[in-house]
Amino acid sequence: GNSVTQMEGPVTLSEEAFLTINCTYTATGYPSLFWYVQYPGEGLQLLLKATKADDKGSNKGFEATYRKETTSFHLEKGSVQVSDSAVYFCALKAAGYSTLTFGKGTMLLVSP
Amino acid sequence: GAVVSQHPSWVICKSGTSVKIECRSLDFQATTMFWYRQFPKQSLMLMATSNEGSKATYEQGVEKDKFLINHASLTLSTLTVTSAHPEDSSFYICSAIDDTAGGYTFGSGTRLTVV
Repeated sequence: GNSVTQMEGPVTLSEEAFLTINCTYTATGYPSLFWYVQYPGEGLQLLLKATKADDKGSNKGFEATYRKETTSFHLEKGSVQVSDSAVYFCALKAAGYSTLTFGKGTMLLVSP
Repeated sequence: GAVVSQHPSWVICKSGTSVKIECRSLDFQATTMFWYRQFPKQSLMLMATSNEGSKATYEQGVEKDKFLINHASLTLSTLTVTSAHPEDSSFYICSAIDDTAGGYTFGSGTRLTVV
């Protein structure tokens, strides 16, 4: 079946530090991959996405590259801000399915 | 951009009563919507897929008689928690697929507390 595995948190960083949140997946065919962000008490917002191998999604300084050979879609940001503190979810949409499969989420805490 | 309005954002109800949560796509049509439940510090659990004009498809282990889903128009899906109990307290989130653009948009969630 389809599944997403992402690193457990919380990830605690100081402002301006480099961020990596690992995400690997298992899926049939060629899925589309997503990163969503959830701020406290809110729903999910799409952060970035990639629909085919070697695509790089980017938004607000975050980026992730669809790596088919390693079945990964790691999220990175060069310099985090306190306002980036949130829970980040990696997700996939497998070909032929309408539902999204989510990872368990990784909480990021950024201190000044 | 695509916006999904979810209402109410929070609700407190007494045990045994029913609560209705609305999920409305404001600027796009959505044949398909989804309802999720999220426990504290956990991921989203898909409860059901809601299709306009037809019965919802429930995930295994979700009681369809307890969580009633109605998707009567291309812009509105509702989730009714019937005879609510404290264990139904949770954060419920809806999502909709834009029929034209194909993207997934999430509502802002509803915090349900049953006392």
